[in-house]
Amino acid sequence: KAGVTQTPRYLIKTRGQQVTLSCSPISGHRSVSWYQQTPGQGLQFLFEYFSETQRNKGNFPGRFSGRQFSNSRSEMNVSTLELGDSALYLCASSLGTSGGRETQYFGPGTRLLVL
Amino acid sequence: AQKITQTQPGMFVQEKEAVTLDCTYDTSDQSYGLFWYKQPSSGEMIFLIYQGSYDEQNATEGRYSLNFQKARKSANLVISASQLGDSAMYFCAMRESGGYQKVTFGTGTKLQVIP
Repeated sequence: KAGVTQTPRYLIKTRGQQVTLSCSPISGHRSVSWYQQTPGQGLQFLFEYFSETQRNKGNFPGRFSGRQFSNSRSEMNVSTLELGDSALYLCASSLGTSGGRETQYFGPGTRLLVL
Repeated sequence: AQKITQTQPGMFVQEKEAVTLDCTYDTSDQSYGLFWYKQPSSGEMIFLIYQGSYDEQNATEGRYSLNFQKARKSANLVISASQLGDSAMYFCAMRESGGYQKVTFGTGTKLQVIP
């Protein structure tokens, strides 16, 4: 079974631009979560999507948004990029139906550098 | 609010020796899941082991075992017979079962295996 895939793997943008990251979950998984990882803040939860609906959201500004398609693939968008948005963005998928017992499986991440 | 604490920013272990990575957690939920992930320098988060709050036995997966002490709210990871490839960041995480809550991660422990 194929794992979680994320595209692109690396990205360089300039301040003020916008960016879209993509995540394809493991087949059969309906939940996709996004995390931002930086050296200073560690791993921070962005949001979770299940069956095309945002089910949970972290404490990030409205510049960070996402969506999920009917095939469970998810995209994350960051508008008006700031230098502080430089980070590793990780996507994780899970079944989405078993609550706390569920294991999330992560993709390789997208490294975003904002200049 | 759920919280994960990893008090060891970095650790060294001799190859073939066992090592314990500490993790304590705080939650008011009775039902939750505890996870350990490994993150090599490549960035990908690799799932290692899971422990459910109602599981009576400590989880084991190959060389990984989880020393679960519910009353003390600790979930330490034990790696037996360390290998050079075990050098990585290790994250403890928790997911509460109510309302499909997000996964909360600790700050991580950087493990370096010495030949």
